[in-house]
Amino acid sequence: DQQVKQNSPSLSVQEGRISILNCDYTNSMFDYFLWYKKYPAEGPTFLISISSIKDKNEDGRFTVFLNKSAKHLSLHIVPSQPGDSAVYFCAASVTGGFKTIFGAGTRLFVKA
Amino acid sequence: NAGVMQNPRHLVRRRGQEARLRCSPMKGHSHVYWYRQLPEEGLKFMVYLQKENIIDESGMPKERFSAEFPKEGPSILRIQQVVRGDSAAYFCASSPQGTGSNSPLHFGNGTRLTVT
Repeated sequence: DQQVKQNSPSLSVQEGRISILNCDYTNSMFDYFLWYKKYPAEGPTFLISISSIKDKNEDGRFTVFLNKSAKHLSLHIVPSQPGDSAVYFCAASVTGGFKTIFGAGTRLFVKA
Repeated sequence: NAGVMQNPRHLVRRRGQEARLRCSPMKGHSHVYWYRQLPEEGLKFMVYLQKENIIDESGMPKERFSAEFPKEGPSILRIQQVVRGDSAAYFCASSPQGTGSNSPLHFGNGTRLTVT
């Protein structure tokens, strides 16, 4: 059961442009959403999160948008840098629940 | 290094052998999670433990897999009689509180298990 879906396995963007990574979820109980970034041979690292009471959260070059009615969230990176090249995982959880559910990831390539 | 420590980084086992994966959570963290990443797939939840207790093992296969987080020492993920399909990267994560409190997870660098 894929409760969190990232339908784009990969994305290629020119340095300096905007990267938009998308994520859809099916479980309406999810009320907390996170993005993690993963480099090869390393574990995922937390990037940014958003609660379902908000529709936008911004941290430097990273902004996450949440559309609850569409059960969709997106991560915007602007401007994109070559060091942003990594796999990005979307994740979701339920307040009071026991586990965080991850999507399959999107591999971002930022070309210099 | 005060991060989540996993060892070994790489583990090779023949079919039928046992694999033991260890995880020391970040200092002050009492919640441990194990995830598995199969090739070209995302992270699949396996088990959530607190000290001496398994809280949720809904993602762990019922046979051959077990996990523990004793009062003293690291958390252990144990796979008995390994098969080729167990080959994957196993990630441990910890948090100061359960994910139900919306604490982000802190991951280790994983153990890559190869079954030959």
